[in-house]
Amino acid sequence: DQQVKQNSPSLSVQEGRISILNCDYTNSMFDYFLWYKKYPAEGPTFLISISSIKDKNEDGRFTVFLNKSAKHLSLHIVPSQPGDSAVYFCAARSYGGSQGNLIFGKGTKLSVKP
Amino acid sequence: NAGVTQTPKFRVLKTGQSMTLLCAQDMNHEYMYWYRQDPGMGLRLIHYSVGEGTTAKGEVPDGYNVSRLKKQNFLLGLESAAPSQTSVYFCASSYSGGGSVLTFGAGSRLTVL
Repeated sequence: DQQVKQNSPSLSVQEGRISILNCDYTNSMFDYFLWYKKYPAEGPTFLISISSIKDKNEDGRFTVFLNKSAKHLSLHIVPSQPGDSAVYFCAARSYGGSQGNLIFGKGTKLSVKP
Repeated sequence: NAGVTQTPKFRVLKTGQSMTLLCAQDMNHEYMYWYRQDPGMGLRLIHYSVGEGTTAKGEVPDGYNVSRLKKQNFLLGLESAAPSQTSVYFCASSYSGGGSVLTFGAGSRLTVL
């Protein structure tokens, strides 16, 4: 059973508007969440993270929100740019686990149209 | 600064053949990982290492072996390739575990006929 779910395989947004990528999780032991971005023919690159003791983390145009009661996190990109077009992976870590316990979602492909 | 380098980038194998994927990192990271990415499946951890001379199983270890003889290198071996191992393989490294940011290589695309 999937512990980290990204239910939208794809998302299309107009340049300058907000992109919202969603991620749900089922394991209440997850205590740290990360977002990675992946361009075609490249490896994923780290984008932003959030600890379970916080409900928001912001880095420039990127903000991650965490709703622990709903077991839901979202990545907001404002304003969206064509260079943001990529696959975004949500990942989660179990409390007390090593990095070997990092669980990835299936990814959401974001397309930002000029 | 090369970061994480994977070789080869592409390989085609016949069923039953063996091969080794090499991962090298120049960041002096302790932790190294091998993931596979399949369409609609996200990234799944195959094996990982928490330091030179150590290895551990991840989510999908069957059919693979690994070795970490040197800190900078992490090898992934397929002893008898199967079509189900057709995938894109990513190596990653991190300074420590417990939520450290992973640095990924560019990937190795393997096709098993």
